[in-house]
Amino acid sequence: SQTIHQWPATLVQPVGSPLSLECTVEGTSNPNLYWYRQAAGRGLQLLFYSVGIGQISSEVPQNLSASRPQDRQFILSSKKLLLSDSGFYLCAWSVPASGANVLTFGAGSRLTVL
Amino acid sequence: GDSVTQMEGPVTLSEEAFLTINCTYTATGYPSLFWYVQYPGEGLQLLLKATKADDKGSNKGFEATYRKETTSFHLEKGSVQVSDSAVYFCALSESGGGSNYKLTFGKGTLLTVNP
Repeated sequence: SQTIHQWPATLVQPVGSPLSLECTVEGTSNPNLYWYRQAAGRGLQLLFYSVGIGQISSEVPQNLSASRPQDRQFILSSKKLLLSDSGFYLCAWSVPASGANVLTFGAGSRLTVL
Repeated sequence: GDSVTQMEGPVTLSEEAFLTINCTYTATGYPSLFWYVQYPGEGLQLLLKATKADDKGSNKGFEATYRKETTSFHLEKGSVQVSDSAVYFCALSESGGGSNYKLTFGKGTLLTVNP
């Protein structure tokens, strides 16, 4: 069966420090991968999605970047964190061209920038 | 562009009460519609979906009917339980082409069920 792992689950970082959040998927090949951010009172915002290795689409201009070095690995990064980067980050995957595009989410990574 | 509007809440109900969470959408094509649920401290889980007009999605006693004429996908449950306390997200995905890759979510509705 397919599973998705995200880590770390919780992170507290000072302003200006770097960030790396990792997401891996097991049990499927060539998934579509996504990073969403959930900020307090603002719902879910799509940050990046990827349809293959090295292929990254950015949805909003921001202080973050994403990379997909392997088929089932998706990394969210920042060189210098801002206070506004605080939030709950969710990785998700879906089967390409599956019609309804059902997303399966990881458990999330809670980032607090101080 | 596509958008989803859902009642913001919070919604507070007593156990066994009837639940409705309204959701309307704007889309250029023929989207698939979803309800996701997020329990405290967890990621999102798919609750139910509908892929075409008049389809009814159902799961765990929850139901939602895809109404193209009113562009709505309201979530209902006849008798809520304390364990249903969570945040509920309505979402859509456009069918076909490059836009099939993304879901657009509403802002979420916090439901609290008291015993």
